[in-house]
Parts: sequence; structure tokens; C-alpha cells
Amino acid sequence: DSGVTQTPKHLITATGQRVTLRCSPRSGDLSVYWYQQSLDQGLQFLIQYYNGEERAKGNILERFSAQQFPDLHSELNLSSLELGDSALYFCASSPRRSPFYEQYFGPGTRLTVT
Amino acid sequence: DAKTTQPTSMDCAEGRAANLPCNHSTISGNEYVYWYRQIHSQGPQYIIHGLKNNETNEMASLIITEDRKSSTLILPHATLRDTAVYYCIVRVEWDGSARQLTFGSGTQLTVLP
Repeated sequence: DSGVTQTPKHLITATGQRVTLRCSPRSGDLSVYWYQQSLDQGLQFLIQYYNGEERAKGNILERFSAQQFPDLHSELNLSSLELGDSALYFCASSPRRSPFYEQYFGPGTRLTVT
Repeated sequence: DAKTTQPTSMDCAEGRAANLPCNHSTISGNEYVYWYRQIHSQGPQYIIHGLKNNETNEMASLIITEDRKSSTLILPHATLRDTAVYYCIVRVEWDGSARQLTFGSGTQLTVLP
């Protein structure tokens, strides 16, 4: 158990809909990262927040957005969903801004778009 | 970040050492070698990392060749719970850019009873 929690565990929705994925980092961790893992793309970094502010952006679509709240939990919002958005979405946290080896991953949310 | 090459799959007998190779012939002097693993559909788990010297922790050992063009992750006494995809990643620790972790295909290690 990494100490990172993600809800919901599974999500099934239809194309065109909007969903929100939630992540609670480990106690005291200031950085939150979001990743997408699909069968054909592998694990891809989406976005990072540090202490409430966006710090780094990866391959995140404009239909996706995220935020980190004062209590440090984070939400990833996915809108106008397409079939290709079906994937595992992982959140990771770390105590500082950038150490690579200190990313602790949550169990993931499996999103299925039908 | 330097490109890595790993075998697609490997088998190992339970209780034996599992040796997972990784080639990174284009590695730069300031790039570290990181190993993560992912047990089926769970979140990736950090294992170990190193720059030049061999490293050991409670999970594994990392052996990096002197020219740093390849490395081997060693699980000394593999158990069935070590069955997972193992990713070798080479990148700088911090280079001031926004680049982050991206995994390749990794090696599917299957520990056999």
C-alpha cells in the first residue's frame, strides 16, 4: 500500500460525458502527478501539481484538466469523452517537486467509455 | 532521455535469483538508471536507482557496467509475488525541464513455482 488513494476504482460512462477522478496523496506529499495507461500507449505522464500550482505538463489533451486543492487532494476532469479515453488513470505523489524516484503510485481508476 | 532495450519476457524459478538486463548504450553522464515494476494493473512501484555504483536495497540489487551502457536488476530470491512487468528507465534526476516519467514496454517476468 503506497498511501495514495484514488476513487473511484472503476468508472463506466458513455461517449460525450464528463467524469472526475479523485486522488488523495500520501500524508505530507506536496506533489501530485497524473498518468494515463492505455493498452497501445503504455504509461504516459499527463500533468503535475505542486502545492496547488501546475508544475509540469505532459501529453494531456485539452479536453482534460486537473487541479490540486488546498488540502492537497487532486482531481482530474475528463470531458467530451471518446472511446479512446478508456484507460487506467494513475495518480502518484511525492514529497517534493521533482525527485523522480520518489513517486508513489495509487491503485488507479479504470475508465471504460462505451 | 536515453533509450533503453529490455527483453520482452523472462521466466525464473521460485527461490532462484532473477536477473533482468537492460541496455542503455546512449546513456549520458548525468543520467540515472531507474527500475520500477508493475504488478498486473496495479500502480507502478519504485524498486531501485543508481548512477555509477552498484546499489542494493531491501528489494533488489542494481549492477551497472563500468561503461554504464547496460545494467542488471537482480531479485535475489524470486517469489511468485515478484511476477510483474519490470521497467528500466534512464533519465536525469533533475534537469529543470518539465519532462517526467514515461515507461517503455518493460520485461514481463514470470516466476514459476
